[in-house]
Amino acid sequence: SAVISQKPSRDICQRGTSLTIQCQVDSQVTMMFWYRQQPGQSLTLIATANQGSEATYESGFVIDKFPISRPNLTFSTLTVSNMSPEDSSIYLCSVHMGLAGSGELFFGEGSRLTVL
Amino acid sequence: ILNVEQSPQSLHVQEGDSTNFTCSFPSSNFYALHWYRWETAKSPEALFVMTLNGDEKKKGRISATLNTKEGYSYLYIKGSQPEDSATYLCASRAGGTSYGKLTFGQGTILTVHP
Repeated sequence: SAVISQKPSRDICQRGTSLTIQCQVDSQVTMMFWYRQQPGQSLTLIATANQGSEATYESGFVIDKFPISRPNLTFSTLTVSNMSPEDSSIYLCSVHMGLAGSGELFFGEGSRLTVL
Repeated sequence: ILNVEQSPQSLHVQEGDSTNFTCSFPSSNFYALHWYRWETAKSPEALFVMTLNGDEKKKGRISATLNTKEGYSYLYIKGSQPEDSATYLCASRAGGTSYGKLTFGQGTILTVHP
């Protein structure tokens, strides 16, 4: 299993500002995943953060809007840049444990962002 | 089916009732089906990961079945309790390999009334 600490747990932000979300895992993992759930929508993968290389972004998400850092095997950050009300979401980081693909995901408790 | 779809979107039951939800997913290139429970202000928690057609898994009062040929999975809760109130998410991993993308449904919100 994995214990994931994520902060902030919630924040209210002004339009045009940026916010960085931190994710700390209690064990070393190769890949960390960043998800977003907009109100009424599915949990959607933003990007995969790999240690030592650039993050891999899913269709519809770009590095300029969601820059990611992955300085070591236990930590990652996601920045939501130049926020607009459409960025109001729950942002979750997660890691995969067990055999790749067949193992479950472990999640942080999420960061609930409200953009005014 | 191109996406992962869950039904119903929300469900209200009385304590003691048994209930079930459905997850539909693309059957082509299927690799694995995940179920998660997400309580308010907590982390989503894995319930089951299923890979084989006809598989049935059970954890306490909760069980799940999988039909990969027709692309659906059922989650059953027997004798619902208020602490079962949560959003239940399913996710399908496709692509035919262990590194295929995990695609989530929108979830079923279960409320169990005492």
